[in-house]
Formats: sequence, structure tokens, C-alpha cells
Amino acid sequence: ILNVEQSPQSLHVQEGDSTNFTCSFPSSNFYALHWYRWETAKSPEALFVMTLNGDEKKKGRISATLNTKEGYSYLYIKGSQPEDSATYLCASSTSGTYKYIFGTGTRLKVLA
Amino acid sequence: EAGVAQSPRYKIIEKRQSVAFWCNPISGHATLYWYQQILGQGPKLLIQFQNNGVVDDSQLPKDRFSAERLKGVDSTLKIQPAKLEDSAVYLCASSLAPAGAYFGPGTRLTVL
Repeated sequence: ILNVEQSPQSLHVQEGDSTNFTCSFPSSNFYALHWYRWETAKSPEALFVMTLNGDEKKKGRISATLNTKEGYSYLYIKGSQPEDSATYLCASSTSGTYKYIFGTGTRLKVLA
Repeated sequence: EAGVAQSPRYKIIEKRQSVAFWCNPISGHATLYWYQQILGQGPKLLIQFQNNGVVDDSQLPKDRFSAERLKGVDSTLKIQPAKLEDSAVYLCASSLAPAGAYFGPGTRLTVL
């Protein structure tokens, strides 16, 4: 994988459903994987930064896992709420640089 | 801690006109980025500064886009002349370390 890829591109879920998205990234020279939540008309907000293979991070109902050997990360949302509606971006940064390469994002819409 | 500031928040211009965006990063952050996010795509890095030096401008359309970071603090991004395909959100971000970038609210540019 040469680029950062995210799937699905968009997702509609019912309130209370749990959901997950995937981020695939180049595993060579990997330094860190970043997840951001971006609500319309606001700044992208950092959710997690993960660096170690097997890392798991949790923030409220949102959690993320990291597999650096195979180059993927999952973001999970448990019991989705309408306020979770946003675009979820992942970005990969490589060793020796401060460069962040973003995926295209997953647009989540939670229906009440 | 104050966040990344950007102005203006919205701008509408006609094609062939010029436009400039301003960014004030978080105090002490040496690395500053300009990203372009076109609807339906992920943020694309236009230019990355380390202090007032350019680290990466490989994806900056240099025939019409220019950017500077005087004194290693504030930065401006200029488009001259603008084209229809420049309609996008322009995000400025800054970072202190490879472990996280902080974003401003963005400038939404519409070129008519």
C-alpha cells in the first residue's frame, strides 16, 4: 500500500448501533497513526495517536486498534449517537518526518 | 492554550481573481502545514514548513499558488489567479512533534 486508504467512504447507521471503520497505511518507515474527527464548519479534532503494534486506545464510546505489521487500524464506535455524525479521518506519519498523509475519510451519519 | 487561527473563514471570488489566506499556528510549533481538502477527498498536503524553511512543496501548484512563513510564525497562502478547481477548504495545521498535528478551522473557498 502506497497511500492511506479508508473504508467505507460513507456510512449511515441508526442511533444505538455500533460501527467500525478501517484505515490502511504503508507499514514501511511507520511512525504513528492518527485518527481525527471532523465536524462540518469545525477544525478536525484529534481523537487518537497510536505508535505501537497492538496499541488500543479508548475515549468514551470510541476506541481504536493498531496493527503496524500489516498496516491497518480500526476505529470502533459503540452505541452511535447523532452527535457522532462527522467525517473520521486517519493519517499516517513516517519516521524522520513530520509529514501526515491523510486518507479520504469515512463520512458517518447517525440517524435518530 | 490557544489553537491554530485562520482567516478568513469563508471567501467567494471569481475565477482569475487573487486570494490570500492567513494562518497563525500554536505558539512554539515549529512545523506548519497547508492542506487542501476538495469535497469528497481527503486533505492533500500543499506545503510544509519547518520554522521558515520549506520542507515539502511537491504538491503545490507553483504556477498559481505561493506560500510564505515569515519569521517562522504566521503564514500566508496565496492563489493567483484562481481557477474553478481551486474551490476547496484550505486547512492550516501546526505541530511540535511527529505525534500530532493541530488544525485550524479552515477557510472555505468558492471560485465562481
